[in-house]
Amino acid sequence: QVQLVQSGAEVKRPGASVKVSCKASGYSFTNFYIHWVRQAPGQGLEWMGTINPSDGDAGYAQKFQGRVTITRDTSTSTVYMDLSSLRSDDTALYFCARDDWARVTTPPAEYFRYWGQGTVVTVSS
Amino acid sequence: DTHLTQSPLSLSASVGDRVTITCRASQNIFTYINWYQQKPGKAPEVLISAASNLHSGVPSRFSGSGSGTDFTLIISSLQREDFGTYYCQQTYTTPRTFGQGTKVEVK
Repeated sequence: QVQLVQSGAEVKRPGASVKVSCKASGYSFTNFYIHWVRQAPGQGLEWMGTINPSDGDAGYAQKFQGRVTITRDTSTSTVYMDLSSLRSDDTALYFCARDDWARVTTPPAEYFRYWGQGTVVTVSS
Repeated sequence: DTHLTQSPLSLSASVGDRVTITCRASQNIFTYINWYQQKPGKAPEVLISAASNLHSGVPSRFSGSGSGTDFTLIISSLQREDFGTYYCQQTYTTPRTFGQGTKVEVK
Protein backbone atom coordinates (compact mmCIF):
# COMPACT_ATOMS: atom_id res chain seq x y z
CA GLN A 1 0.00 0.00 0.00
CA VAL A 2 1.07 3.57 -0.60
CA GLN A 3 2.79 5.17 2.37
CA LEU A 4 4.43 8.51 2.98
CA VAL A 5 6.46 8.54 6.18
CA GLN A 6 7.81 11.87 7.40
CA SER A 7 10.70 12.65 9.70
CA GLY A 8 10.21 13.56 13.33
CA ALA A 9 9.41 16.79 15.11
CA GLU A 10 11.93 19.62 15.02
CA VAL A 11 12.61 22.58 17.29
CA LYS A 12 14.61 25.40 15.74
CA ARG A 13 15.81 28.86 16.65
CA PRO A 14 14.73 31.88 14.58
CA GLY A 15 17.02 32.32 11.61
CA ALA A 16 17.90 28.63 11.40
CA SER A 17 16.91 26.13 8.69
CA VAL A 18 14.94 22.93 8.88
CA LYS A 19 14.91 19.95 6.53
CA VAL A 20 11.90 17.64 6.63
CA SER A 21 11.91 14.33 4.79
CA CYS A 22 9.08 12.32 3.25
CA LYS A 23 9.86 8.71 2.36
CA ALA A 24 7.52 7.13 -0.18
CA SER A 25 6.76 3.47 -0.64
CA GLY A 26 4.22 1.20 -2.28
CA TYR A 27 4.24 2.78 -5.74
CA SER A 28 6.54 3.91 -8.51
CA PHE A 29 8.21 6.96 -6.97
CA THR A 30 8.87 8.83 -10.21
CA ASN A 31 5.30 8.61 -11.49
CA PHE A 32 3.58 11.07 -9.14
CA TYR A 33 4.28 14.59 -7.91
CA ILE A 34 4.85 15.25 -4.22
CA HIS A 35 3.51 18.46 -2.66
CA TRP A 36 4.20 20.17 0.67
CA VAL A 37 1.36 21.73 2.65
CA ARG A 38 1.62 23.35 6.04
CA GLN A 39 -0.85 24.20 8.77
CA ALA A 40 -0.12 26.74 11.49
CA PRO A 41 -1.75 26.07 14.87
CA GLY A 42 -5.50 26.55 14.61
CA GLN A 43 -5.22 27.69 11.00
CA GLY A 44 -6.02 26.35 7.54
CA LEU A 45 -3.98 24.53 4.92
CA GLU A 46 -1.31 26.37 2.96
CA TRP A 47 0.36 24.97 -0.17
CA MET A 48 4.11 25.53 -0.24
CA GLY A 49 5.38 23.83 -3.34
CA THR A 50 5.79 20.67 -5.34
CA ILE A 51 8.35 18.48 -7.06
CA ASN A 52 8.30 16.15 -10.02
CA PRO A 53 10.35 13.20 -8.72
CA SER A 54 11.06 12.08 -12.27
CA ASP A 55 13.28 15.04 -13.17
CA GLY A 56 13.55 16.96 -9.90
CA ASP A 57 11.79 20.01 -11.30
CA ALA A 58 10.26 21.98 -8.39
CA GLY A 59 7.82 24.85 -8.12
CA TYR A 60 7.06 27.04 -5.14
CA ALA A 61 4.40 29.38 -3.85
CA GLN A 62 5.46 32.99 -4.27
CA LYS A 63 5.26 33.49 -0.51
CA PHE A 64 8.10 31.00 0.06
CA GLN A 65 10.27 31.79 -2.97
CA GLY A 66 13.89 32.09 -1.92
CA ARG A 67 13.32 30.38 1.42
CA VAL A 68 12.11 26.91 0.46
CA THR A 69 13.86 24.22 -1.54
CA ILE A 70 12.27 20.89 -2.40
CA THR A 71 14.55 18.10 -3.59
CA ARG A 72 14.35 14.35 -4.07
CA ASP A 73 16.57 11.30 -3.85
CA THR A 74 15.35 8.64 -6.25
CA SER A 75 17.67 6.01 -4.74
CA THR A 76 15.73 6.15 -1.48
CA SER A 77 12.36 7.38 -2.80
CA THR A 78 12.56 10.35 -0.47
CA VAL A 79 11.54 13.95 -0.94
CA TYR A 80 13.01 16.73 1.19
CA MET A 81 11.65 20.15 2.07
CA ASP A 82 14.24 22.65 3.27
CA LEU A 83 12.95 25.90 4.80
CA SER A 84 15.50 28.58 5.72
CA SER A 85 15.52 31.85 7.69
CA LEU A 86 12.91 30.45 10.04
CA ARG A 87 10.59 32.81 11.90
CA SER A 88 8.14 32.20 14.70
CA ASP A 89 5.26 32.20 12.23
CA ASP A 90 6.82 29.17 10.48
CA THR A 91 5.74 27.15 13.50
CA ALA A 92 3.36 24.66 11.94
CA LEU A 93 2.51 21.08 11.08
CA TYR A 94 4.11 20.25 7.74
CA PHE A 95 2.60 17.60 5.46
CA CYS A 96 3.82 15.96 2.29
CA ALA A 97 1.15 14.70 -0.08
CA ARG A 98 1.20 12.62 -3.25
CA ASP A 99 -1.06 13.55 -6.04
CA ASP A 100 -3.34 11.46 -8.19
CA TRP A 101 -5.59 12.17 -11.12
CA ALA A 102 -9.36 11.95 -11.52
CA ARG A 103 -9.80 11.04 -15.15
CA VAL A 104 -13.33 12.38 -15.33
CA THR A 105 -12.31 15.67 -16.88
CA THR A 106 -10.13 16.71 -19.80
CA PRO A 107 -7.40 17.27 -18.83
CA PRO A 108 -7.59 15.03 -15.74
CA ALA A 109 -8.11 16.71 -12.38
CA GLU A 110 -5.30 16.55 -9.85
CA TYR A 111 -6.03 15.89 -6.20
CA PHE A 112 -3.93 15.02 -3.16
CA ARG A 113 -4.71 11.37 -2.53
CA TYR A 114 -2.07 10.26 -0.02
CA TRP A 115 -0.63 12.26 2.86
CA GLY A 116 2.22 11.85 5.28
CA GLN A 117 1.52 11.85 9.00
CA GLY A 118 2.81 15.39 9.41
CA THR A 119 5.92 16.86 11.02
CA VAL A 120 5.69 19.50 13.72
CA VAL A 121 8.22 22.27 13.33
CA THR A 122 8.49 24.67 16.25
CA VAL A 123 10.45 27.89 15.88
CA SER A 124 11.25 29.47 19.20
CA SER A 125 14.04 31.37 20.86
CA ASP B 1 -3.52 33.39 -7.29
CA THR B 2 -6.97 31.81 -7.25
CA HIS B 3 -8.65 32.71 -3.98
CA LEU B 4 -11.25 30.34 -2.51
CA THR B 5 -13.89 31.62 -0.08
CA GLN B 6 -15.80 29.07 1.96
CA SER B 7 -19.00 29.60 3.89
CA PRO B 8 -19.96 29.17 6.56
CA LEU B 9 -16.68 29.04 8.50
CA SER B 10 -18.33 26.97 11.19
CA LEU B 11 -21.62 25.21 11.77
CA SER B 12 -23.30 23.04 14.34
CA ALA B 13 -25.90 20.53 13.23
CA SER B 14 -27.69 17.47 14.53
CA VAL B 15 -27.40 13.89 13.42
CA GLY B 16 -29.58 13.42 10.36
CA ASP B 17 -29.44 17.06 9.27
CA ARG B 18 -28.59 18.07 5.73
CA VAL B 19 -25.42 20.18 5.70
CA THR B 20 -24.35 22.48 2.87
CA ILE B 21 -20.91 24.06 2.52
CA THR B 22 -20.12 26.43 -0.32
CA CYS B 23 -16.84 27.42 -1.94
CA ARG B 24 -16.49 30.37 -4.28
CA ALA B 25 -13.45 30.83 -6.50
CA SER B 26 -12.05 34.21 -7.54
CA GLN B 27 -11.85 33.06 -11.18
CA ASN B 28 -13.24 30.35 -13.43
CA ILE B 29 -11.71 27.02 -12.41
CA PHE B 30 -14.13 24.85 -14.40
CA THR B 31 -14.53 21.72 -12.24
CA TYR B 32 -10.99 21.56 -10.83
CA ILE B 33 -12.10 21.60 -7.23
CA ASN B 34 -11.57 18.99 -4.54
CA TRP B 35 -13.02 18.57 -1.07
CA TYR B 36 -11.17 17.20 1.98
CA GLN B 37 -12.13 16.33 5.52
CA GLN B 38 -9.63 16.85 8.32
CA LYS B 39 -9.90 15.54 11.86
CA PRO B 40 -7.88 17.28 14.62
CA GLY B 41 -4.18 16.42 14.49
CA LYS B 42 -4.58 14.28 11.36
CA ALA B 43 -3.84 14.71 7.69
CA PRO B 44 -6.71 15.70 5.41
CA GLU B 45 -8.54 12.97 3.51
CA VAL B 46 -10.02 13.45 0.08
CA LEU B 47 -13.79 13.15 -0.19
CA ILE B 48 -14.50 14.44 -3.67
CA SER B 49 -12.33 15.28 -6.66
CA ALA B 50 -13.18 17.17 -9.82
CA ALA B 51 -16.18 18.85 -8.15
CA SER B 52 -18.45 15.80 -8.05
CA ASN B 53 -16.35 12.64 -8.25
CA LEU B 54 -16.87 10.72 -4.99
CA HIS B 55 -13.60 9.13 -3.88
CA SER B 56 -13.52 5.39 -3.36
CA GLY B 57 -14.69 4.39 0.11
CA VAL B 58 -16.36 7.71 0.91
CA PRO B 59 -19.98 7.32 2.08
CA SER B 60 -22.63 8.22 -0.48
CA ARG B 61 -24.15 10.84 1.88
CA PHE B 62 -21.35 13.12 0.65
CA SER B 63 -21.85 14.81 -2.71
CA GLY B 64 -20.35 17.70 -4.59
CA SER B 65 -21.53 19.94 -7.39
CA GLY B 66 -20.75 23.11 -9.25
CA SER B 67 -18.58 24.50 -12.00
CA GLY B 68 -16.94 27.77 -12.89
CA THR B 69 -16.73 29.74 -9.66
CA ASP B 70 -19.39 28.29 -7.36
CA PHE B 71 -19.19 24.90 -5.72
CA THR B 72 -21.09 23.02 -3.06
CA LEU B 73 -20.40 20.11 -0.74
CA ILE B 74 -23.48 18.47 0.72
CA ILE B 75 -23.75 15.96 3.53
CA SER B 76 -27.25 14.60 3.04
CA SER B 77 -27.67 13.11 6.52
CA LEU B 78 -25.04 14.17 9.03
CA GLN B 79 -23.50 11.40 11.10
CA ARG B 80 -21.60 11.71 14.37
CA GLU B 81 -18.33 10.73 12.69
CA ASP B 82 -18.61 13.62 10.21
CA PHE B 83 -17.21 16.15 12.70
CA GLY B 84 -14.08 17.93 11.59
CA THR B 85 -13.00 20.68 9.24
CA TYR B 86 -13.80 20.60 5.54
CA TYR B 87 -11.60 22.29 2.94
CA CYS B 88 -12.09 22.97 -0.72
CA GLN B 89 -8.97 23.07 -2.91
CA GLN B 90 -8.46 24.16 -6.50
CA THR B 91 -5.93 22.48 -8.78
CA TYR B 92 -6.60 24.47 -11.94
CA THR B 93 -3.95 27.09 -11.29
CA THR B 94 -0.62 27.25 -9.49
CA PRO B 95 -0.28 27.86 -6.60
CA ARG B 96 -2.73 25.19 -5.51
CA THR B 97 -4.93 26.98 -3.00
CA PHE B 98 -7.30 25.94 -0.26
CA GLY B 99 -10.38 27.56 1.21
CA GLN B 100 -10.24 28.74 4.82
CA GLY B 101 -12.04 25.64 6.03
CA THR B 102 -15.47 24.99 7.51
CA LYS B 103 -15.55 23.51 11.00
CA VAL B 104 -18.46 21.11 11.47
CA GLU B 105 -19.68 20.23 14.94
CA VAL B 106 -22.24 17.52 15.54
CA LYS B 107 -24.64 18.47 18.31
